[in-house]
Amino acid sequence: EPEVTQTPSHQVTQMGQEVILRCVPISNHLYFYWYRQILGQKVEFLVSFYNNEISEKSEIFDDQFSVERPDGSNFTLKIRSTKLEDSAMYFCASREGTGEYEQYFGPGTRLTVT
Amino acid sequence: QQQVKQSPQSLIVQKGGISIINCAYENTAFDYFPWYQQFPGKGPALLIAIRPDVSEKKEGRFTISFNKSAKQFSLHIMDSQPGDSATYFCAARISGGYNKLIFGAGTRLAVHP
Repeated sequence: EPEVTQTPSHQVTQMGQEVILRCVPISNHLYFYWYRQILGQKVEFLVSFYNNEISEKSEIFDDQFSVERPDGSNFTLKIRSTKLEDSAMYFCASREGTGEYEQYFGPGTRLTVT
Repeated sequence: QQQVKQSPQSLIVQKGGISIINCAYENTAFDYFPWYQQFPGKGPALLIAIRPDVSEKKEGRFTISFNKSAKQFSLHIMDSQPGDSATYFCAARISGGYNKLIFGAGTRLAVHP
Protein backbone atom coordinates (compact mmCIF):
# COMPACT_ATOMS: atom_id res chain seq x y z
CA GLU A 1 0.00 0.00 0.00
CA PRO A 2 1.42 3.42 -0.93
CA GLU A 3 2.46 5.56 2.00
CA VAL A 4 4.00 8.89 2.82
CA THR A 5 7.59 8.63 3.99
CA GLN A 6 9.65 11.13 5.92
CA THR A 7 13.32 11.54 6.72
CA PRO A 8 15.00 11.79 9.08
CA SER A 9 12.92 10.24 11.84
CA HIS A 10 14.73 12.35 14.43
CA GLN A 11 16.76 15.50 13.95
CA VAL A 12 18.67 17.26 16.69
CA THR A 13 19.94 20.74 15.94
CA GLN A 14 21.28 23.74 17.76
CA MET A 15 19.32 26.94 18.03
CA GLY A 16 19.94 29.21 15.06
CA GLN A 17 20.81 26.37 12.69
CA GLU A 18 18.97 25.59 9.50
CA VAL A 19 17.15 22.28 9.12
CA ILE A 20 15.52 20.62 6.16
CA LEU A 21 12.87 18.00 6.73
CA ARG A 22 12.13 15.72 3.82
CA CYS A 23 9.00 13.98 2.68
CA VAL A 24 8.08 11.71 -0.19
CA PRO A 25 4.32 11.97 -0.72
CA ILE A 26 2.22 9.24 -2.29
CA SER A 27 3.16 9.22 -5.96
CA ASN A 28 -0.08 10.22 -7.67
CA HIS A 29 -1.05 12.82 -5.07
CA LEU A 30 -1.21 16.46 -6.02
CA TYR A 31 -1.70 18.31 -2.73
CA PHE A 32 0.90 18.40 0.00
CA TYR A 33 0.85 19.61 3.57
CA TRP A 34 3.02 20.13 6.60
CA TYR A 35 1.62 19.95 10.11
CA ARG A 36 3.36 20.05 13.44
CA GLN A 37 2.58 18.60 16.83
CA ILE A 38 4.24 19.93 19.94
CA LEU A 39 4.63 17.15 22.48
CA GLY A 40 1.31 16.27 24.06
CA GLN A 41 -0.63 18.83 22.06
CA LYS A 42 -2.88 18.74 19.02
CA VAL A 43 -1.80 18.59 15.42
CA GLU A 44 -1.55 22.08 13.88
CA PHE A 45 -1.64 23.03 10.21
CA LEU A 46 1.43 24.82 8.86
CA VAL A 47 1.15 25.01 5.09
CA SER A 48 -0.47 23.54 2.02
CA PHE A 49 1.20 23.29 -1.39
CA TYR A 50 -0.30 22.71 -4.79
CA ASN A 51 0.90 23.21 -8.33
CA ASN A 52 4.36 24.23 -7.12
CA GLU A 53 3.21 27.02 -4.92
CA ILE A 54 1.94 27.64 -1.42
CA SER A 55 -1.85 27.64 -1.43
CA GLU A 56 -2.41 28.40 2.23
CA LYS A 57 -0.31 28.95 5.33
CA SER A 58 -0.95 29.44 9.01
CA GLU A 59 0.31 32.23 11.24
CA ILE A 60 2.93 29.78 12.54
CA PHE A 61 4.47 29.59 9.07
CA ASP A 62 6.48 32.80 9.20
CA ASP A 63 9.48 33.93 7.16
CA GLN A 64 11.70 31.37 8.89
CA PHE A 65 9.82 28.58 7.15
CA SER A 66 9.83 27.64 3.49
CA VAL A 67 8.66 24.68 1.44
CA GLU A 68 9.85 23.32 -1.82
CA ARG A 69 9.19 20.49 -4.22
CA PRO A 70 12.67 20.22 -5.75
CA ASP A 71 11.81 17.29 -7.98
CA GLY A 72 8.89 15.06 -8.87
CA SER A 73 8.94 13.10 -5.67
CA ASN A 74 10.31 15.08 -2.72
CA PHE A 75 8.61 17.77 -0.67
CA THR A 76 10.72 19.64 1.86
CA LEU A 77 10.21 21.93 4.81
CA LYS A 78 13.07 24.26 5.67
CA ILE A 79 13.42 26.14 8.91
CA ARG A 80 16.02 28.80 8.35
CA SER A 81 17.05 29.66 11.90
CA THR A 82 15.62 27.25 14.44
CA LYS A 83 14.30 28.34 17.80
CA LEU A 84 13.74 26.27 20.92
CA GLU A 85 9.99 26.50 20.36
CA ASP A 86 10.34 24.82 16.97
CA SER A 87 10.91 21.54 18.80
CA ALA A 88 8.01 19.33 17.74
CA MET A 89 6.95 16.44 15.55
CA TYR A 90 6.58 17.55 11.97
CA PHE A 91 4.21 15.59 9.79
CA CYS A 92 3.94 15.65 6.05
CA ALA A 93 0.62 14.71 4.46
CA SER A 94 -0.62 14.31 0.93
CA ARG A 95 -3.96 14.19 -0.85
CA GLU A 96 -4.83 12.76 -4.20
CA GLY A 97 -6.75 15.56 -5.86
CA THR A 98 -9.86 17.66 -6.22
CA GLY A 99 -12.89 15.94 -4.77
CA GLU A 100 -10.79 13.55 -2.73
CA TYR A 101 -10.54 14.87 0.79
CA GLU A 102 -8.57 12.15 2.49
CA GLN A 103 -5.16 13.23 3.73
CA TYR A 104 -2.55 10.61 4.46
CA PHE A 105 0.12 11.38 6.98
CA GLY A 106 3.72 10.29 7.16
CA PRO A 107 5.35 8.92 10.32
CA GLY A 108 6.81 12.30 11.23
CA THR A 109 10.18 13.82 11.99
CA ARG A 110 10.91 14.62 15.60
CA LEU A 111 12.84 17.89 15.65
CA THR A 112 14.71 18.72 18.82
CA VAL A 113 16.28 22.17 19.06
CA THR A 114 18.83 22.57 21.81
CA GLN B 1 -14.42 30.27 14.66
CA GLN B 2 -11.92 27.71 13.39
CA GLN B 3 -11.95 25.38 16.36
CA VAL B 4 -12.97 21.84 16.99
CA LYS B 5 -13.58 21.00 20.64
CA GLN B 6 -12.95 17.41 21.63
CA SER B 7 -13.83 15.51 24.79
CA PRO B 8 -12.96 13.72 26.92
CA GLN B 9 -9.23 14.34 27.19
CA SER B 10 -8.70 10.76 28.31
CA LEU B 11 -10.85 7.67 28.46
CA ILE B 12 -10.49 4.28 30.11
CA VAL B 13 -12.66 1.45 28.85
CA GLN B 14 -12.76 -2.22 29.66
CA LYS B 15 -12.16 -4.72 26.90
CA GLY B 16 -15.39 -5.36 25.04
CA GLY B 17 -16.90 -2.05 26.06
CA ILE B 18 -17.94 0.91 23.93
CA SER B 19 -15.63 3.90 23.63
CA ILE B 20 -17.29 7.21 22.80
CA ILE B 21 -15.41 10.36 21.88
CA ASN B 22 -17.21 13.60 21.14
CA CYS B 23 -16.40 16.65 19.06
CA ALA B 24 -18.19 19.94 18.51
CA TYR B 25 -17.65 22.82 16.13
CA GLU B 26 -19.00 26.28 15.41
CA ASN B 27 -17.99 26.96 11.82
CA THR B 28 -20.77 25.90 9.44
CA ALA B 29 -18.28 26.04 6.57
CA PHE B 30 -16.76 22.75 7.73
CA ASP B 31 -17.74 20.06 5.23
CA TYR B 32 -15.70 16.97 6.00
CA PHE B 33 -14.97 15.37 9.34
CA PRO B 34 -12.25 12.71 9.61
CA TRP B 35 -11.07 10.82 12.64
CA TYR B 36 -7.43 9.93 13.02
CA GLN B 37 -5.80 7.31 15.24
CA GLN B 38 -2.30 7.93 16.49
CA PHE B 39 -0.02 5.49 18.26
CA PRO B 40 2.97 6.81 20.23
CA GLY B 41 5.78 7.93 17.94
CA LYS B 42 3.71 7.47 14.80
CA GLY B 43 1.83 9.74 12.45
CA PRO B 44 -1.94 10.13 12.53
CA ALA B 45 -3.64 7.39 10.54
CA LEU B 46 -6.97 8.07 8.89
CA LEU B 47 -9.57 5.89 10.58
CA ILE B 48 -12.96 6.92 9.24
CA ALA B 49 -14.51 10.10 7.87
CA ILE B 50 -17.94 11.55 7.24
CA ARG B 51 -19.49 14.35 5.23
CA PRO B 52 -22.40 16.35 6.67
CA ASP B 53 -24.99 14.99 4.25
CA VAL B 54 -25.15 11.72 6.21
CA SER B 55 -25.91 11.17 9.89
CA GLU B 56 -23.95 7.99 10.44
CA LYS B 57 -21.13 6.03 8.90
CA LYS B 58 -19.95 2.65 10.03
CA GLU B 59 -16.76 0.79 9.19
CA GLY B 60 -16.28 -2.41 11.12
CA ARG B 61 -16.24 -1.60 14.84
CA PHE B 62 -15.95 2.14 14.21
CA THR B 63 -18.99 4.39 13.76
CA ILE B 64 -19.24 8.13 13.30
CA SER B 65 -22.50 9.76 14.37
CA PHE B 66 -23.08 13.22 12.97
CA ASN B 67 -25.61 15.79 14.20
CA LYS B 68 -25.59 18.71 11.81
CA SER B 69 -28.09 20.85 13.70
CA ALA B 70 -26.17 20.49 16.95
CA LYS B 71 -22.81 20.81 15.18
CA GLN B 72 -21.54 17.73 16.93
CA PHE B 73 -20.05 14.46 15.83
CA SER B 74 -18.79 11.48 17.71
CA LEU B 75 -16.74 8.34 17.29
CA HIS B 76 -18.01 5.09 18.72
CA ILE B 77 -15.68 2.12 19.03
CA MET B 78 -17.67 -1.04 19.62
CA ASP B 79 -16.16 -4.06 21.33
CA SER B 80 -13.09 -2.04 22.28
CA GLN B 81 -9.83 -3.99 22.31
CA PRO B 82 -6.47 -3.33 24.00
CA GLY B 83 -5.03 -2.79 20.52
CA ASP B 84 -7.35 0.22 20.16
CA SER B 85 -5.40 2.00 22.91
CA ALA B 86 -4.15 5.13 21.16
CA THR B 87 -4.84 8.83 20.86
CA TYR B 88 -7.81 9.74 18.70
CA PHE B 89 -8.17 13.08 16.97
CA CYS B 90 -11.25 14.46 15.32
CA ALA B 91 -10.71 17.01 12.60
CA ALA B 92 -12.66 19.20 10.21
CA ARG B 93 -12.07 20.68 6.78
CA ILE B 94 -13.21 24.10 5.60
CA SER B 95 -15.10 23.95 2.34
CA GLY B 96 -13.69 25.78 -0.63
CA GLY B 97 -10.15 25.77 0.66
CA TYR B 98 -7.15 23.59 0.02
CA ASN B 99 -8.24 21.00 2.53
CA LYS B 100 -6.55 22.42 5.61
CA LEU B 101 -7.57 20.25 8.54
CA ILE B 102 -8.40 21.72 11.93
CA PHE B 103 -7.75 19.15 14.65
CA GLY B 104 -9.32 18.63 18.03
CA ALA B 105 -7.12 18.36 21.09
CA GLY B 106 -7.14 14.57 21.09
CA THR B 107 -8.44 11.82 23.37
CA ARG B 108 -6.09 9.31 24.90
CA LEU B 109 -7.93 5.99 25.00
CA ALA B 110 -6.79 3.12 27.19
CA VAL B 111 -8.58 -0.20 26.83
CA HIS B 112 -7.93 -2.47 29.78
CA PRO B 113 -8.03 -6.25 29.36
